Amino acid sequence: DIQMTQSPSTLSAFVGDRVTITCRASQSISDLLAWYQQKPGKAPKLLIYKASTLESGVPSSFSGSGSGTEFTLTISSLQPDDFATYYCQQYNSNPLTFGGGTKVEI
Amino acid sequence: EVQLVESGGGLVQPGGSLRLSCAASGFIFNNYWMTWVRQAPGRGLEWVAHTKKDGTENYYVDSVKGRFTISRDNAENSLYLQMNSLSVEDTAVYYCARITIRPGFYFDHWGQGNLVTVSS
Repeated sequence: DIQMTQSPSTLSAFVGDRVTITCRASQSISDLLAWYQQKPGKAPKLLIYKASTLESGVPSSFSGSGSGTEFTLTISSLQPDDFATYYCQQYNSNPLTFGGGTKVEI
Repeated sequence: EVQLVESGGGLVQPGGSLRLSCAASGFIFNNYWMTWVRQAPGRGLEWVAHTKKDGTENYYVDSVKGRFTISRDNAENSLYLQMNSLSVEDTAVYYCARITIRPGFYFDHWGQGNLVTVSS
């Protein structure tokens, strides 16, 4: 199974900050990676797929990069609505696996 | 508008069974693979199972193989998860989600989630 490791697990930031979250795969997954945002009590929401492609309707302040085993999600200027938990997910092979999550808090 | 509405969760004793349902609307259901993802209280996301558009291929995470069965009824636009031999470790919010129609197994729409609690 491919293990996905996110860092940090918690991130404290302010509105307006540039925020970067890292996701590492235990083996190469090419660019077959998605990012999701989840707010408390809500379902996850797709932000990015194929490592760097923004899902329709997602603000351009979000961006993704990386390939192989190392990936990043960047929020260029943190907004109040962006405080949430973020998960990466690999879809290179079954079982599909998620990272442990990064909580972005004030 | 794509909608996925789960039902069937609740409290069940260890060793018991439960069947989750997911009613889909707003898209052509039989054009999409579908999946179940769960989230234990205070924990991260775990993919559980997914099923092909016509239901002829199903895939499971090892921890539920032989106990859970994913199925679908395309005439009813519904997805199901039959869960048997439940243990406390299966306690979670279960989400039904649509797998993208683009190449790749990622999830572009999710239901609101349904809580399953396994406890004596």
